[in-house]
Amino acid sequence: DTAVSQTPKYLVTQMGNDKSIKCEQNLGHDTMYWYKQDSKKFLKIMFSYNNKELIINETVPNRFSPKSPDKAHLNLHINSLELGDSAVYFCASSQQGGNTEAFFGQGTRLTVV
Amino acid sequence: AQSVSQHNHHVILSEAASLELGCNYSYGGTVNLFWYVQYPGQHLQLLLKYFSGDPLVKGIKGFEAEFIKSKFSFNLRKPSVQWSDTAEYFCAVISYGNNRLAFGKGNQVVVIP
Repeated sequence: DTAVSQTPKYLVTQMGNDKSIKCEQNLGHDTMYWYKQDSKKFLKIMFSYNNKELIINETVPNRFSPKSPDKAHLNLHINSLELGDSAVYFCASSQQGGNTEAFFGQGTRLTVV
Repeated sequence: AQSVSQHNHHVILSEAASLELGCNYSYGGTVNLFWYVQYPGQHLQLLLKYFSGDPLVKGIKGFEAEFIKSKFSFNLRKPSVQWSDTAEYFCAVISYGNNRLAFGKGNQVVVIP
């Protein structure tokens, strides 16, 4: 009965490939996020969606394209993967306007070889 | 620019020692404040949060934090740490009504038995 679930948990792929990570939340939240955590554990916001609309896009290469088919889902598609894309990607959700804490998924460890 | 600062990225201490981690932010207006913990190999979990009211908040596992508005700070404390407190600790801030949940760079805490 996971609140925020991401799939897959691990993803190993070659440079140049295209891959997707899926995220679903069953908390009824309006806002969803994607964060990137690098090898130094720094957490950087990538995107924020509110009710399926893109609110924040933080200087992320346009190879990264989020898609929100409904407010419970926020998927991340990455084209032409590069070595530097290797990281742990976390999905999170919260009520609109950050009026509650954010709940995080288990993370997807992406390794580009 | 809005930012969240955490100092002393690496902290090593013995069991039963006291822990204090600093967090400063540079947001204007009303903010909501959080401390998250990430145990090795796991996702982020909420330790405690401050929205309003008593500036001294108590969280799980004996942690507490104090919001000092005049200092733009939200420091985390635990009087006596245990080996199981070994983790990465993140301070996070969101402006009220905003969708941008921003994190500090984290503190890696290692507790030696």
